[in-house]
Amino acid sequence: EAQVTQNPRYLITVTGKKLTVTCSQNMNHEYMSWYRQDPGLGLRQIYYSMNVEVTDKGDVPEGYKVSRKEKRNFPLILESPSPNQTSLYFCASSLGPSANYGYTFGSGTRLTVV
Amino acid sequence: RKEVEQDPGPFNVPEGATVAFNCTYSNSASQSFFWYRQDCRKEPKLLMSVYSSGNEDGRFTAQLNRASQYISLLIRDSKLSDSATYLCVPKSSGTYKYIFGTGTRLKVLA
Repeated sequence: EAQVTQNPRYLITVTGKKLTVTCSQNMNHEYMSWYRQDPGLGLRQIYYSMNVEVTDKGDVPEGYKVSRKEKRNFPLILESPSPNQTSLYFCASSLGPSANYGYTFGSGTRLTVV
Repeated sequence: RKEVEQDPGPFNVPEGATVAFNCTYSNSASQSFFWYRQDCRKEPKLLMSVYSSGNEDGRFTAQLNRASQYISLLIRDSKLSDSATYLCVPKSSGTYKYIFGTGTRLKVLA
């Protein structure tokens, strides 16, 4: 089944404790992206990757890191999480930048930082 | 002006009703448009893509008005299962930028 898999689904952590949210897709998609979703603010892009070893900042990159060492994986790293990073996170992928391609989303990771 | 604007709703409609949402966008270079459906606390799922003047898929019709820079979603014969938030997403070719609207919430009532 074609899908984007995120783990974990739920995570509660303490301020300052490094964490990684994994994302993997099995559709051979070039493009992958991370979003966070907060009430009233909609989906905001954190980072995106056009292909292996090519990443760029989205609208809200502060406090996050990413890497793309393999085409299928695009982990999101929070080196020192803070309470304002409490949010619902989605990983998404698409075939490429053509206007015809929509996203496939992962099931989301609900992160709480206390 | 926001890049994408949607009426947050909620739109409360009875089962069987026809309901329409509008979405306005500011980037005239937008070439394609997507409507996503998002259930509470779940991932957005692609509902429809619109590349020209419109698209129809069963009870769902999307219309694009490039001159006025808006796209609409019409749902006919609403079902309880249509209750969700509908996100509008314009996109320009050659960019990696998908701009999501904050969504319109629909509640279909029995």
